Amino acid sequence: NAGVTQTPKFQVLKTGQSMTLQCAQDMNHEYMSWYRQDPGMGLRLIHYSVGAGITDQGEVPNGYNVSRSTTEDFPLRLLSAAPSQTSVYFCASSYNVPGTEAFFGQGTRLTVV
Amino acid sequence: EDQVTQSPEALRLQEGESSSLNCSYTVSGLRGLFWYRQDPGKGPEFLFTLYSAGEEKEKERLKATLTKKESFLHITAPKPEDSATYLCAVRSYSNTGNQFYFGTGTSLTVIP
Repeated sequence: NAGVTQTPKFQVLKTGQSMTLQCAQDMNHEYMSWYRQDPGMGLRLIHYSVGAGITDQGEVPNGYNVSRSTTEDFPLRLLSAAPSQTSVYFCASSYNVPGTEAFFGQGTRLTVV
Repeated sequence: EDQVTQSPEALRLQEGESSSLNCSYTVSGLRGLFWYRQDPGKGPEFLFTLYSAGEEKEKERLKATLTKKESFLHITAPKPEDSATYLCAVRSYSNTGNQFYFGTGTSLTVIP
């Protein structure tokens, strides 16, 4: 039982490049979320999903896209990377609405130069 | 504006020296308050959920309590392995839907 798996662990992008952060969970959770963690800011919710085919915006959605085609996977797409998107990104899944007793992945450290 | 504030930012304790971490919140439509532990380089690990004022939860040396404006995480006789950053988060519901806010955390160091 792997829990929540994020790939890659580290990534460096040039400004304007696009990429997808992968997140997969094997706990059959309906709810999945993406957060970014910045020094002095705490974790901030980017997007979340309440089930396959259903997504919604969190606190800081601009510059990010998500989709949920299966229960297991919830990728986060950066359309045109900017230095302001340098951060540590965490994916989480939970039995209930976002945050409730959530299981987090190990994080992806993204640097945009 | 919804807000979650944790204090202190950092706390150093001697092993066995009990203390409390504070999480104060101002949100409309509170739907739950959550405590997490985060070790360096890792994702947060869920500890407790509290839903209503007066509720208490315990796990080993940790006890979480909730009032209408704040939550406390009490650490009794801490050990060095309790060293971590403790995060508080709240879920609220308003006309904009579900929102979820984390505090910036309290970094706890327990000295042997």
